[in-house]
Amino acid sequence: GENVEQHPSTLSVQEGDSAVIKCTYSDSASNYFPWYKQELGKRPQLIIDIRSNVGEKKDQRIAVTLNKTAKHFSLHITETQPEDSAVYFCAAFHPTMDSSYKLIFGSGTRLLVRP
Amino acid sequence: DSGVTQTPKHLITATGQRVTLRCSPRSGDLSVYWYQQSLDQGLQFLIQYYNGEERAKGNILERFSAQQFPDLHSELNLSSLELGDSALYFCASSAGTRSSDTQYFGPGTRLTVL
Repeated sequence: GENVEQHPSTLSVQEGDSAVIKCTYSDSASNYFPWYKQELGKRPQLIIDIRSNVGEKKDQRIAVTLNKTAKHFSLHITETQPEDSAVYFCAAFHPTMDSSYKLIFGSGTRLLVRP
Repeated sequence: DSGVTQTPKHLITATGQRVTLRCSPRSGDLSVYWYQQSLDQGLQFLIQYYNGEERAKGNILERFSAQQFPDLHSELNLSSLELGDSALYFCASSAGTRSSDTQYFGPGTRLTVL
């Protein structure tokens, strides 16, 4: 079945520390894994993504790693700042019967960065 | 601003009623997706349309339906509303149907069913 598990559900870190959020997916055919950040009452916004032919991708303080064998991927935020506080969602593209794809989201991680 | 627009921003209605949510995709995008986000919950995929045709279905209730029009805007119709239908409804759009097509989200419509 299609499933994306995300941990932890909440994460509190001190400003300047690193934060790591982990996700696992169920369908080995999934090949694209975006991460979205959602601030309170606002739309989810794509912050980084990774494709299955890449093991790691970095964009300034944000990095994502992918282990296809284990079917898990992680978001790493270094030097956290208070404005990083938000809910973060991982997602995996799940192929459908008609060769289309649908995006299955994890349950979200509420990140709080304490000043 | 993602370029995806949704109307209305807020909607308050009563149980048993019917509402229509509207979405206009980014210019050039052919795919439209609808998601439901209940309070403190994740994003649940409802349905996808591509160039006017339904392409993928998620956990969409039979009381809900959607369509995409020739100008590519989409409407989500929710009928026989129940209290549990209160949620944020997001529309997203992407260029096509490939797995690597980034989905850009609209600002959402907050539906409150009293």
